[in-house]
Amino acid sequence: SAVISQKPSRDICQRGTSLTIQCQVDSQVTMMFWYRQQPGQSLTLIATANQGSEATYESGFVIDKFPISRPNLTFSTLTVSNMSPEDSSIYLCSVRQGYNEQFFGPGTRLTVL
Amino acid sequence: AQTVTQSQPEMSVQEAETVTLSCTYDTSESNYYLFWYKQPPSRQMILVIRQEAYKQQNATENRFSVNFQKAAKSFSLKISDSQLGDTAMYFCASSTGANSKLTFGKGITLSVRP
Repeated sequence: SAVISQKPSRDICQRGTSLTIQCQVDSQVTMMFWYRQQPGQSLTLIATANQGSEATYESGFVIDKFPISRPNLTFSTLTVSNMSPEDSSIYLCSVRQGYNEQFFGPGTRLTVL
Repeated sequence: AQTVTQSQPEMSVQEAETVTLSCTYDTSESNYYLFWYKQPPSRQMILVIRQEAYKQQNATENRFSVNFQKAAKSFSLKISDSQLGDTAMYFCASSTGANSKLTFGKGITLSVRP
Protein backbone atom coordinates (compact mmCIF):
# COMPACT_ATOMS: atom_id res chain seq x y z
CA SER A 1 0.00 0.00 0.00
CA ALA A 2 1.01 3.62 -0.49
CA VAL A 3 2.88 5.47 2.21
CA ILE A 4 0.96 8.62 3.15
CA SER A 5 2.24 11.49 5.26
CA GLN A 6 0.44 14.52 6.62
CA LYS A 7 1.71 17.83 7.93
CA PRO A 8 1.27 19.08 10.54
CA SER A 9 0.53 16.14 12.80
CA ARG A 10 -1.20 18.47 15.24
CA ASP A 11 -1.79 22.16 15.77
CA ILE A 12 -3.50 24.54 18.15
CA CYS A 13 -5.00 27.57 16.44
CA GLN A 14 -6.87 30.71 17.38
CA ARG A 15 -10.42 31.27 16.29
CA GLY A 16 -10.75 33.20 13.04
CA THR A 17 -7.46 31.98 11.58
CA SER A 18 -6.85 29.40 8.83
CA LEU A 19 -4.73 26.26 8.72
CA THR A 20 -3.51 24.37 5.66
CA ILE A 21 -2.95 20.64 5.99
CA GLN A 22 -0.70 18.84 3.52
CA CYS A 23 -1.03 15.26 2.32
CA GLN A 24 1.84 13.60 0.45
CA VAL A 25 1.75 10.14 -1.14
CA ASP A 26 4.83 8.17 -2.21
CA SER A 27 3.22 7.04 -5.48
CA GLN A 28 0.82 8.46 -8.02
CA VAL A 29 -2.82 7.90 -7.16
CA THR A 30 -5.95 8.84 -9.02
CA MET A 31 -8.33 9.37 -6.14
CA MET A 32 -7.63 11.25 -2.93
CA PHE A 33 -10.13 12.06 -0.21
CA TRP A 34 -10.35 14.27 2.85
CA TYR A 35 -12.25 13.17 5.97
CA ARG A 36 -13.09 14.80 9.27
CA GLN A 37 -13.34 12.94 12.57
CA GLN A 38 -14.88 15.01 15.31
CA PRO A 39 -14.01 14.09 18.93
CA GLY A 40 -15.32 10.65 19.81
CA GLN A 41 -17.10 10.35 16.46
CA SER A 42 -16.80 8.44 13.23
CA LEU A 43 -15.29 9.69 9.99
CA THR A 44 -17.22 11.95 7.62
CA LEU A 45 -16.13 12.58 4.05
CA ILE A 46 -15.47 16.25 3.33
CA ALA A 47 -14.56 16.05 -0.35
CA THR A 48 -12.88 14.17 -3.15
CA ALA A 49 -9.73 15.95 -4.32
CA ASN A 50 -9.60 15.87 -8.12
CA GLN A 51 -6.32 16.40 -9.92
CA GLY A 52 -6.47 19.39 -12.23
CA SER A 53 -10.03 20.38 -11.37
CA GLU A 54 -12.15 21.58 -8.49
CA ALA A 55 -12.79 19.25 -5.58
CA THR A 56 -16.15 17.54 -5.22
CA TYR A 57 -17.71 18.42 -1.88
CA GLU A 58 -20.16 16.41 0.18
CA SER A 59 -23.37 17.82 1.53
CA GLY A 60 -22.70 20.18 4.41
CA PHE A 61 -19.18 21.13 3.29
CA VAL A 62 -18.39 24.14 1.10
CA ILE A 63 -15.37 25.32 -0.80
CA ASP A 64 -15.16 28.67 1.00
CA LYS A 65 -14.74 26.90 4.33
CA PHE A 66 -12.61 23.96 3.14
CA PRO A 67 -10.68 24.90 0.00
CA ILE A 68 -8.75 21.98 -1.45
CA SER A 69 -5.89 21.88 -3.91
CA ARG A 70 -4.62 18.90 -5.91
CA PRO A 71 -1.77 20.11 -8.11
CA ASN A 72 -0.53 16.63 -9.03
CA LEU A 73 -1.13 12.92 -8.47
CA THR A 74 0.92 12.71 -5.25
CA PHE A 75 -0.05 15.80 -3.27
CA SER A 76 -3.11 17.60 -1.90
CA THR A 77 -3.87 20.30 0.63
CA LEU A 78 -6.94 21.02 2.73
CA THR A 79 -7.39 24.46 4.27
CA VAL A 80 -9.71 24.98 7.22
CA SER A 81 -10.72 28.62 6.96
CA ASN A 82 -11.99 31.12 9.53
CA MET A 83 -11.80 28.49 12.22
CA SER A 84 -14.10 28.16 15.20
CA PRO A 85 -13.92 25.72 18.14
CA GLU A 86 -16.43 23.50 16.29
CA ASP A 87 -13.69 22.80 13.73
CA SER A 88 -11.62 21.01 16.36
CA SER A 89 -11.25 17.54 14.85
CA ILE A 90 -8.86 15.06 13.33
CA TYR A 91 -8.51 15.60 9.60
CA LEU A 92 -7.41 12.61 7.53
CA CYS A 93 -6.51 12.20 3.91
CA SER A 94 -6.87 8.89 2.14
CA VAL A 95 -6.05 7.40 -1.24
CA ARG A 96 -7.76 4.72 -3.26
CA GLN A 97 -5.69 1.76 -4.41
CA GLY A 98 -6.22 -1.76 -5.56
CA TYR A 99 -9.71 -3.20 -5.41
CA ASN A 100 -11.49 -0.09 -4.18
CA GLU A 101 -9.42 -0.04 -0.99
CA GLN A 102 -8.64 3.18 0.80
CA PHE A 103 -5.53 3.80 2.84
CA PHE A 104 -5.26 6.63 5.29
CA GLY A 105 -2.65 9.10 6.37
CA PRO A 106 -1.80 9.47 10.07
CA GLY A 107 -4.19 12.38 10.52
CA THR A 108 -3.85 15.97 11.72
CA ARG A 109 -5.25 16.77 15.14
CA LEU A 110 -6.59 20.34 15.15
CA THR A 111 -7.61 22.23 18.28
CA VAL A 112 -9.22 25.63 17.89
CA LEU A 113 -9.29 27.92 20.92
CA ALA B 1 -27.48 6.35 -0.29
CA GLN B 2 -25.57 3.98 1.91
CA THR B 3 -25.91 3.55 5.65
CA VAL B 4 -23.77 1.55 8.04
CA THR B 5 -24.93 0.70 11.55
CA GLN B 6 -22.83 -0.46 14.47
CA SER B 7 -25.14 -0.73 17.43
CA GLN B 8 -22.64 -1.88 20.07
CA PRO B 9 -20.64 1.10 21.42
CA GLU B 10 -18.08 -1.01 23.22
CA MET B 11 -16.99 -4.56 23.97
CA SER B 12 -14.41 -6.25 26.11
CA VAL B 13 -12.67 -9.60 25.63
CA GLN B 14 -10.11 -11.63 27.50
CA GLU B 15 -6.75 -12.07 25.85
CA ALA B 16 -6.57 -15.23 23.67
CA GLU B 17 -10.36 -15.47 23.39
CA THR B 18 -12.57 -14.84 20.37
CA VAL B 19 -14.80 -11.82 19.89
CA THR B 20 -17.32 -10.87 17.20
CA LEU B 21 -18.14 -7.28 16.26
CA SER B 22 -21.47 -6.66 14.56
CA CYS B 23 -22.32 -4.44 11.60
CA THR B 24 -25.33 -4.04 9.36
CA TYR B 25 -25.55 -1.96 6.22
CA ASP B 26 -28.01 -0.80 3.64
CA THR B 27 -27.43 0.07 0.01
CA SER B 28 -29.37 0.12 -3.22
CA GLU B 29 -26.27 -0.71 -5.25
CA SER B 30 -25.56 -4.19 -6.55
CA ASN B 31 -21.81 -3.60 -6.74
CA TYR B 32 -20.36 -2.61 -3.39
CA TYR B 33 -17.53 -3.32 -0.99
CA LEU B 34 -17.41 -3.72 2.76
CA PHE B 35 -14.48 -3.02 5.05
CA TRP B 36 -13.39 -3.17 8.64
CA TYR B 37 -10.91 -0.53 9.80
CA LYS B 38 -9.02 -0.41 13.07
CA GLN B 39 -8.07 2.86 14.77
CA PRO B 40 -5.74 2.42 17.78
CA PRO B 41 -5.03 5.31 20.16
CA SER B 42 -2.35 6.50 17.74
CA ARG B 43 -5.37 7.43 15.53
CA GLN B 44 -3.89 5.78 12.40
CA MET B 45 -6.70 4.15 10.41
CA ILE B 46 -5.65 0.64 9.44
CA LEU B 47 -7.50 -1.52 6.92
CA VAL B 48 -8.17 -4.87 8.57
CA ILE B 49 -10.19 -6.76 5.98
CA ARG B 50 -12.18 -6.27 2.79
CA GLN B 51 -15.17 -8.10 1.29
CA GLU B 52 -16.52 -7.75 -2.23
CA ALA B 53 -20.29 -8.09 -2.34
CA TYR B 54 -20.24 -10.35 -5.39
CA LYS B 55 -18.06 -12.92 -3.61
CA GLN B 56 -19.90 -15.51 -1.56
CA GLN B 57 -16.79 -16.69 0.24
CA ASN B 58 -16.09 -14.92 3.52
CA ALA B 59 -12.81 -12.99 3.60
CA THR B 60 -10.08 -14.06 6.02
CA GLU B 61 -6.85 -12.33 7.05
CA ASN B 62 -4.89 -14.30 9.61
CA ARG B 63 -6.79 -13.98 12.94
CA PHE B 64 -9.49 -11.81 11.37
CA SER B 65 -12.46 -13.18 9.44
CA VAL B 66 -15.86 -11.92 8.44
CA ASN B 67 -19.32 -13.41 8.35
CA PHE B 68 -20.95 -11.81 5.32
CA GLN B 69 -24.69 -12.42 5.12
CA LYS B 70 -25.78 -10.61 1.97
CA ALA B 71 -29.51 -11.21 2.26
CA ALA B 72 -29.53 -9.98 5.84
CA LYS B 73 -27.12 -7.13 4.98
CA SER B 74 -24.91 -8.16 7.85
CA PHE B 75 -21.11 -7.98 7.97
CA SER B 76 -19.59 -9.05 11.28
CA LEU B 77 -15.89 -9.26 12.16
CA LYS B 78 -14.50 -12.15 14.17
CA ILE B 79 -11.17 -11.75 15.93
CA SER B 80 -9.63 -15.01 17.06
CA ASP B 81 -6.92 -15.39 19.70
CA SER B 82 -7.35 -11.75 20.77
CA GLN B 83 -4.16 -9.86 21.57
CA LEU B 84 -3.54 -6.77 23.65
CA GLY B 85 -2.61 -4.93 20.46
CA ASP B 86 -6.12 -5.47 19.15
CA THR B 87 -7.37 -2.84 21.60
CA ALA B 88 -8.74 -0.09 19.35
CA MET B 89 -11.81 1.48 17.78
CA TYR B 90 -13.17 -0.66 14.96
CA PHE B 91 -15.16 0.89 12.15
CA CYS B 92 -17.30 -0.91 9.63
CA ALA B 93 -17.52 0.87 6.26
CA SER B 94 -18.99 0.45 2.81
CA SER B 95 -18.37 1.88 -0.62
CA THR B 96 -19.81 1.45 -4.06
CA GLY B 97 -17.81 0.51 -7.09
CA ALA B 98 -18.56 3.77 -8.85
CA ASN B 99 -17.17 6.48 -6.62
CA SER B 100 -15.23 4.71 -3.86
CA LYS B 101 -16.57 7.05 -1.21
CA LEU B 102 -16.51 5.37 2.17
CA THR B 103 -19.50 5.49 4.49
CA PHE B 104 -18.55 4.64 8.06
CA GLY B 105 -20.46 3.27 11.00
CA LYS B 106 -20.17 4.92 14.41
CA GLY B 107 -17.48 2.52 15.51
CA ILE B 108 -17.04 0.20 18.46
CA THR B 109 -14.41 0.41 21.16
CA LEU B 110 -12.81 -2.97 21.76
CA SER B 111 -10.75 -3.55 24.90
CA VAL B 112 -8.63 -6.68 25.27
CA ARG B 113 -8.03 -7.58 28.91
CA PRO B 114 -4.76 -9.25 29.97
